[in-house]
Amino acid sequence: AQSVTQLDSQVPVFEEAPVELRCNYSSSVSVYLFWYVQYPNQGLQLLLKYLSGSTLVKGINGFEAEFNKSQTSFHLRKPSVHISDTAEYFCAVILPGDDYKLSFGAGTTVTVRA
Amino acid sequence: NAGVTQTPKFQVLKTGQSMTLQCAQDMNHNSMYWYRQDPGMGLRLIYYSASEGTTDKGEVPNGYNVSRLNKREFSLRLESAAPSQTSVYFCASSEPVTGPLHGYTFGSGTRLTVV
Repeated sequence: AQSVTQLDSQVPVFEEAPVELRCNYSSSVSVYLFWYVQYPNQGLQLLLKYLSGSTLVKGINGFEAEFNKSQTSFHLRKPSVHISDTAEYFCAVILPGDDYKLSFGAGTTVTVRA
Repeated sequence: NAGVTQTPKFQVLKTGQSMTLQCAQDMNHNSMYWYRQDPGMGLRLIYYSASEGTTDKGEVPNGYNVSRLNKREFSLRLESAAPSQTSVYFCASSEPVTGPLHGYTFGSGTRLTVV
């Protein structure tokens, strides 16, 4: 069962423009949320995570995400993208009592154009 | 460099052939995972090993077997490859118990094509 839904499969964006990648999760209990990035022909790297506390979390490379419990969302944002941000981005969740296994969304491909 | 090493990086198999994908980590992590990545489906968990000596099925285990050879190594075996197993396979590891909350470390992947 899909616990994580990424609402956009492809997001084209111009260099220096802002970008938002949308992620919704389905769970009635508290979850742990993550964003991973996959650059072309590479493995996945952790961008940021929400475990508890402040709902605005900052990650590497200028990315940030906001946890919204009422909307069950964890959207990723960057105010100004670079060509090097071209990659695939995955939202992921760990559900309580699920052996700490990561479940991934389908991914969003971000293409940054000059 | 510390991390997760996968071999081979590329492989082409004929339908019905068998092969083993190798994964090794040098971070002294207890937990290891095998995922497959298919377009539009994200990463799906095939098998995982929470600790040395244990293995458990994930979301898509059919057609695969695993072996946790020791703490460092976790292999994935396809006994009789099928075209539906054409995919990119990723191995990952994490520290035990709440370690996964700090993030998994992923290998660079094995691109497998079954013809």
